[in-house]
Amino acid sequence: GDSVTQMEGPVTLSEEAFLTINCTYTATGYPSLFWYVQYPGEGLQLLLKATKADDKGSNKGFEATYRKETTSFHLEKGSVQVSDSAVYFCALNDNTDKLIFGTGTRLQVFP
Amino acid sequence: ETGVTQTPRHLVMGMTNKKSLKCEQHLGHNAMYWYKQSAKKPLELMFVYSLEERVENNSVPSRFSPECPNSSHLFLHLHTLQPEDSALYLCASSQGHLNTEAFFGQGTRLTVV
Repeated sequence: GDSVTQMEGPVTLSEEAFLTINCTYTATGYPSLFWYVQYPGEGLQLLLKATKADDKGSNKGFEATYRKETTSFHLEKGSVQVSDSAVYFCALNDNTDKLIFGTGTRLQVFP
Repeated sequence: ETGVTQTPRHLVMGMTNKKSLKCEQHLGHNAMYWYKQSAKKPLELMFVYSLEERVENNSVPSRFSPECPNSSHLFLHLHTLQPEDSALYLCASSQGHLNTEAFFGQGTRLTVV
Protein backbone atom coordinates (compact mmCIF):
# COMPACT_ATOMS: atom_id res chain seq x y z
CA GLY A 1 0.00 0.00 0.00
CA ASP A 2 0.88 3.66 -0.17
CA SER A 3 3.25 4.97 2.50
CA VAL A 4 5.41 7.91 3.51
CA THR A 5 8.78 7.68 5.25
CA GLN A 6 10.35 10.62 7.03
CA MET A 7 13.68 11.03 8.73
CA GLU A 8 13.74 10.47 12.46
CA GLY A 9 13.90 13.52 14.66
CA PRO A 10 14.48 15.62 16.47
CA VAL A 11 16.43 17.86 14.14
CA THR A 12 18.28 20.44 16.19
CA LEU A 13 19.68 23.55 14.51
CA SER A 14 20.96 26.98 15.36
CA GLU A 15 19.13 30.00 14.02
CA GLU A 16 20.00 30.83 10.39
CA ALA A 17 21.19 27.28 9.67
CA PHE A 18 20.12 25.39 6.54
CA LEU A 19 17.33 22.86 6.99
CA THR A 20 16.63 19.62 5.15
CA ILE A 21 13.99 17.14 6.25
CA ASN A 22 13.92 14.04 4.06
CA CYS A 23 10.72 12.45 2.84
CA THR A 24 10.28 9.52 0.48
CA TYR A 25 7.07 7.89 -0.60
CA THR A 26 5.64 4.71 -2.06
CA ALA A 27 2.54 4.98 -4.21
CA THR A 28 0.94 2.99 -7.00
CA GLY A 29 -0.26 6.02 -8.95
CA TYR A 30 0.72 9.67 -9.30
CA PRO A 31 0.04 11.21 -5.93
CA SER A 32 -0.12 14.77 -4.78
CA LEU A 33 2.45 15.51 -2.09
CA PHE A 34 2.15 17.80 0.91
CA TRP A 35 4.08 19.16 3.85
CA TYR A 36 2.11 20.04 6.95
CA VAL A 37 3.40 21.79 10.07
CA GLN A 38 2.14 21.41 13.62
CA TYR A 39 3.11 24.10 16.12
CA PRO A 40 2.90 23.27 19.84
CA GLY A 41 -0.69 22.90 21.03
CA GLU A 42 -2.10 23.31 17.54
CA GLY A 43 -3.55 21.19 14.77
CA LEU A 44 -1.84 20.63 11.45
CA GLN A 45 -1.52 23.43 8.92
CA LEU A 46 -0.72 22.98 5.25
CA LEU A 47 2.73 24.39 4.55
CA LEU A 48 3.13 23.61 0.84
CA LYS A 49 2.14 21.12 -1.82
CA ALA A 50 3.02 19.79 -5.27
CA THR A 51 0.66 17.92 -7.55
CA LYS A 52 2.91 16.56 -10.29
CA ALA A 53 6.48 15.58 -11.02
CA ASP A 54 9.06 18.40 -11.00
CA ASP A 55 6.62 20.81 -9.35
CA LYS A 56 8.15 22.90 -6.58
CA GLY A 57 5.98 23.90 -3.66
CA SER A 58 7.05 26.91 -1.61
CA ASN A 59 5.77 28.95 1.31
CA LYS A 60 7.30 31.04 4.12
CA GLY A 61 10.82 30.35 2.82
CA PHE A 62 10.29 26.59 2.75
CA GLU A 63 10.57 24.64 -0.51
CA ALA A 64 10.11 21.07 -1.66
CA THR A 65 10.43 19.60 -5.15
CA TYR A 66 8.42 16.59 -6.34
CA ARG A 67 11.05 14.11 -7.58
CA LYS A 68 9.37 11.17 -9.26
CA GLU A 69 12.64 9.45 -10.19
CA THR A 70 13.70 9.24 -6.54
CA THR A 71 10.16 9.22 -5.10
CA SER A 72 11.13 12.04 -2.78
CA PHE A 73 9.77 15.35 -1.55
CA HIS A 74 12.44 16.74 0.76
CA LEU A 75 11.68 19.92 2.69
CA GLU A 76 14.33 22.68 2.69
CA LYS A 77 14.76 26.14 4.10
CA GLY A 78 17.84 28.28 3.69
CA SER A 79 17.80 30.02 7.05
CA VAL A 80 15.65 28.75 9.90
CA GLN A 81 14.25 30.84 12.72
CA VAL A 82 13.34 29.96 16.28
CA SER A 83 9.70 30.39 15.28
CA ASP A 84 10.07 27.48 12.83
CA SER A 85 10.34 25.06 15.75
CA ALA A 86 7.49 22.60 15.20
CA VAL A 87 6.70 19.11 13.97
CA TYR A 88 6.71 18.68 10.19
CA PHE A 89 4.64 16.01 8.44
CA CYS A 90 5.06 14.77 4.90
CA ALA A 91 1.88 13.38 3.32
CA LEU A 92 0.49 12.06 0.07
CA ASN A 93 -2.89 11.68 -1.54
CA ASP A 94 -3.03 9.12 -4.32
CA ASN A 95 -6.37 9.92 -5.94
CA THR A 96 -8.28 8.59 -2.98
CA ASP A 97 -10.29 10.14 -0.23
CA LYS A 98 -7.54 10.16 2.37
CA LEU A 99 -4.19 11.68 3.19
CA ILE A 100 -1.42 9.30 4.23
CA PHE A 101 1.04 10.85 6.66
CA GLY A 102 4.56 10.11 7.75
CA THR A 103 5.45 9.91 11.42
CA GLY A 104 6.51 13.56 11.62
CA THR A 105 9.89 15.16 12.27
CA ARG A 106 10.38 17.51 15.19
CA LEU A 107 12.49 20.58 14.45
CA GLN A 108 14.09 22.49 17.29
CA VAL A 109 15.81 25.79 16.47
CA PHE A 110 17.91 27.51 19.10
CA PRO A 111 19.01 31.17 19.14
CA GLU B 1 -8.60 30.79 12.94
CA THR B 2 -8.34 27.70 10.78
CA GLY B 3 -11.99 27.46 9.81
CA VAL B 4 -12.26 24.12 11.59
CA THR B 5 -13.25 24.30 15.26
CA GLN B 6 -13.07 21.42 17.70
CA THR B 7 -14.55 21.23 21.19
CA PRO B 8 -13.58 20.55 23.83
CA ARG B 9 -9.84 21.22 23.60
CA HIS B 10 -9.13 18.94 26.54
CA LEU B 11 -11.13 16.04 27.96
CA VAL B 12 -10.48 13.67 30.83
CA MET B 13 -12.86 10.76 31.12
CA GLY B 14 -13.19 7.53 33.03
CA MET B 15 -13.40 4.20 31.31
CA THR B 16 -17.12 3.91 32.03
CA ASN B 17 -18.04 7.40 30.86
CA LYS B 18 -19.77 8.45 27.66
CA LYS B 19 -18.64 11.66 26.00
CA SER B 20 -18.67 13.26 22.56
CA LEU B 21 -16.16 15.27 20.58
CA LYS B 22 -17.50 17.95 18.28
CA CYS B 23 -16.09 19.39 15.08
CA GLU B 24 -17.50 22.23 13.00
CA GLN B 25 -16.14 23.56 9.73
CA HIS B 26 -16.92 26.97 8.28
CA LEU B 27 -15.24 26.45 4.91
CA GLY B 28 -18.08 25.02 2.85
CA HIS B 29 -16.25 21.72 2.45
CA ASN B 30 -18.05 18.48 1.70
CA ALA B 31 -15.68 15.94 3.26
CA MET B 32 -14.75 15.56 6.92
CA TYR B 33 -12.30 13.31 8.73
CA TRP B 34 -11.33 12.06 12.17
CA TYR B 35 -7.66 11.32 12.83
CA LYS B 36 -5.97 9.95 15.94
CA GLN B 37 -2.50 11.25 16.84
CA SER B 38 -0.53 9.22 19.36
CA ALA B 39 3.04 9.83 20.44
CA LYS B 40 5.66 8.44 18.04
CA LYS B 41 3.08 6.94 15.68
CA PRO B 42 1.87 8.13 12.29
CA LEU B 43 -1.43 9.92 12.17
CA GLU B 44 -4.14 7.31 11.97
CA LEU B 45 -7.14 7.99 9.79
CA MET B 46 -10.22 6.78 11.65
CA PHE B 47 -13.24 7.87 9.63
CA VAL B 48 -14.02 9.72 6.42
CA TYR B 49 -17.35 11.29 5.56
CA SER B 50 -18.08 12.57 2.08
CA LEU B 51 -21.36 14.37 1.46
CA GLU B 52 -22.48 13.21 4.91
CA GLU B 53 -21.99 9.53 4.08
CA ARG B 54 -19.32 7.46 5.71
CA VAL B 55 -16.89 6.29 3.05
CA GLU B 56 -14.09 4.97 5.21
CA ASN B 57 -13.85 3.18 8.51
CA ASN B 58 -10.34 1.99 9.17
CA SER B 59 -11.14 -0.92 11.47
CA VAL B 60 -11.80 1.39 14.37
CA PRO B 61 -13.20 -0.27 17.52
CA SER B 62 -16.91 0.14 18.06
CA ARG B 63 -16.32 2.14 21.23
CA PHE B 64 -15.73 5.03 18.79
CA SER B 65 -18.92 6.00 16.97
CA PRO B 66 -18.93 8.85 14.44
CA GLU B 67 -21.90 10.95 13.42
CA CYS B 68 -22.17 13.46 10.59
CA PRO B 69 -25.59 15.16 10.70
CA ASN B 70 -24.69 17.65 7.96
CA SER B 71 -21.70 18.74 5.91
CA SER B 72 -20.60 21.28 8.53
CA HIS B 73 -20.66 19.12 11.66
CA LEU B 74 -18.93 15.95 12.72
CA PHE B 75 -19.10 14.18 16.05
CA LEU B 76 -17.15 11.36 17.63
CA HIS B 77 -19.10 9.58 20.36
CA LEU B 78 -16.97 7.80 22.93
CA HIS B 79 -17.95 5.06 25.37
CA THR B 80 -16.13 2.52 27.52
CA LEU B 81 -12.73 3.68 26.31
CA GLN B 82 -9.40 2.23 27.35
CA PRO B 83 -6.32 4.09 28.63
CA GLU B 84 -4.55 3.36 25.33
CA ASP B 85 -7.20 5.48 23.60
CA SER B 86 -5.62 8.55 25.18
CA ALA B 87 -4.40 10.70 22.31
CA LEU B 88 -4.95 13.89 20.36
CA TYR B 89 -8.02 13.56 18.14
CA LEU B 90 -7.93 15.76 15.09
CA CYS B 91 -10.79 16.70 12.83
CA ALA B 92 -10.19 17.84 9.27
CA SER B 93 -12.22 18.89 6.25
CA SER B 94 -11.56 19.20 2.54
CA GLN B 95 -13.32 20.32 -0.61
CA GLY B 96 -13.96 17.19 -2.60
CA HIS B 97 -11.80 14.41 -1.34
CA LEU B 98 -9.43 13.53 -4.16
CA ASN B 99 -5.92 14.94 -4.12
CA THR B 100 -6.89 18.02 -2.20
CA GLU B 101 -5.39 19.33 0.97
CA ALA B 102 -7.18 18.99 4.27
CA PHE B 103 -7.72 21.74 6.82
CA PHE B 104 -7.34 20.69 10.44
CA GLY B 105 -8.82 21.77 13.72
CA GLN B 106 -6.68 22.27 16.81
CA GLY B 107 -7.60 18.88 18.19
CA THR B 108 -9.05 17.49 21.39
CA ARG B 109 -6.51 16.14 23.86
CA LEU B 110 -8.23 13.09 25.37
CA THR B 111 -7.03 11.37 28.53
CA VAL B 112 -8.73 8.17 29.64
CA VAL B 113 -8.22 7.33 33.30
